[in-house]
Amino acid sequence: GAVVSQHPSWVICKSGTSVKIECRSLDFQATTMFWYRQFPKQSLMLMATSNEGSKATYEQGVEKDKFLINHASLTLSTLTVTSAHPEDSSFYICSAKADHEQYFGPGTRLTVT
Amino acid sequence: EDQVTQSPEALRLQEGESSSLNCSYTVSGLRGLFWYRQDPGKGPEFLFTLYSAGEEKEKERLKATLTKKESFLHITAPKPEDSATYLCAVPGISGSARQLTFGSGTQLTVLP
Repeated sequence: GAVVSQHPSWVICKSGTSVKIECRSLDFQATTMFWYRQFPKQSLMLMATSNEGSKATYEQGVEKDKFLINHASLTLSTLTVTSAHPEDSSFYICSAKADHEQYFGPGTRLTVT
Repeated sequence: EDQVTQSPEALRLQEGESSSLNCSYTVSGLRGLFWYRQDPGKGPEFLFTLYSAGEEKEKERLKATLTKKESFLHITAPKPEDSATYLCAVPGISGSARQLTFGSGTQLTVLP
């Protein structure tokens, strides 16, 4: 199957700082990537849809100025959590669509202290 | 209201004890139903996609089936390494047809 990578796999940052998470499709091109957030013992919640070369589409309740998404190429999308706060601590997962299936990255554990 | 519901929330089986997980959905115009496996601290791993009622797919000890209202993930003679959370997802419930809406998952524990 298609491979999606994320970097870093985990990050700890101080409150008020910004953190960038990268999502790459390794063996295919993805015009659309998705960013999800998952809290402990909960399912995945879609945050935004990232479209190559255009602005991301955010789900209701997700602050676009706080969660900056850039999809600069067909293989890379980035999520930047700006001015992070402890409540932003979560597991962030990206995914990309290849053919008719959607493949997920391994996730990034963000802890804001 | 369109939605995806999984049951049970948690399931504990003895090794070799077969069972089934359920995913009920309500959506107009199903564009596929996806099953994923998620291990703790990892992203979901794709298992199956089903597109039409009556369709079945198998992979090792897992078999997924689909009706017009629900999908089942049958686990035959499970092993401890099958322990994980199993998620089903359906596109098109919220937002565009490309976006997946996930059920809450079934946490499966297989005891040796």
